[in-house]
Amino acid sequence: QKEVEQDPGPLSVPEGAIVSLNCTYSNSAFQYFMWYRQYSRKGPELLMYTYSSGNKEDGRFTAQVDKSSKYISLFIRDSQPSDSATYLCAINQGGSEKLVFGKGTKLTVNP
Amino acid sequence: DAGITQSPRHKVTETGTPVTLRCHQTENHRYMYWYRQDPGHGLRLIHYSYGVKDTDKGEVSDGYSVSRSKTEDFLLTLESATSSQTSVYFCAISGSRQGNQPQHFGDGTRLSIL
Repeated sequence: QKEVEQDPGPLSVPEGAIVSLNCTYSNSAFQYFMWYRQYSRKGPELLMYTYSSGNKEDGRFTAQVDKSSKYISLFIRDSQPSDSATYLCAINQGGSEKLVFGKGTKLTVNP
Repeated sequence: DAGITQSPRHKVTETGTPVTLRCHQTENHRYMYWYRQDPGHGLRLIHYSYGVKDTDKGEVSDGYSVSRSKTEDFLLTLESATSSQTSVYFCAISGSRQGNQPQHFGDGTRLSIL
């Protein structure tokens, strides 16, 4: 079983839609959860960072962690064409250099 | 933006030649990382550093070496480049060994080996 699974998409939505991006993980020791956004030909940019179960909100973005189900989500409200990018989940055990990435979901928001 | 500069941004070279990529940071962070990103594989850790002259291997370290002589610079060297090392290389920095400070990435070096 892979440590982190992420649906690669691609995902195409109309402007204004609510987007849901998801990852599952297998190691219950993971405790730090991140979402990165990567535009074409750019580096991953940290969007959200959390270390507990529950929700964390930042503007139009909400990160949700369910440790009991080993499931993390990123919700984007009122999606914009500028949100078109690849979204990567990343998980860490803590106290380790090992950051495990999902393979990314490519999102296109159509005007 | 995290103060990370990677150079060169693009490079084309031939099989068997040595190649050195540079990562420079202005954040004075202790931890630095080199990743490669390939379709179907995602981001994979090559090497990392936890201080000046302190480095260790990641999951795909074969064929690569690193050096860190100053806090701000982390070099990745391909001693004899092969076509399988064609990839996009990213440097990342962190203030901690992951945990309370996440990693921040540079904009990458696109390396083609012919």
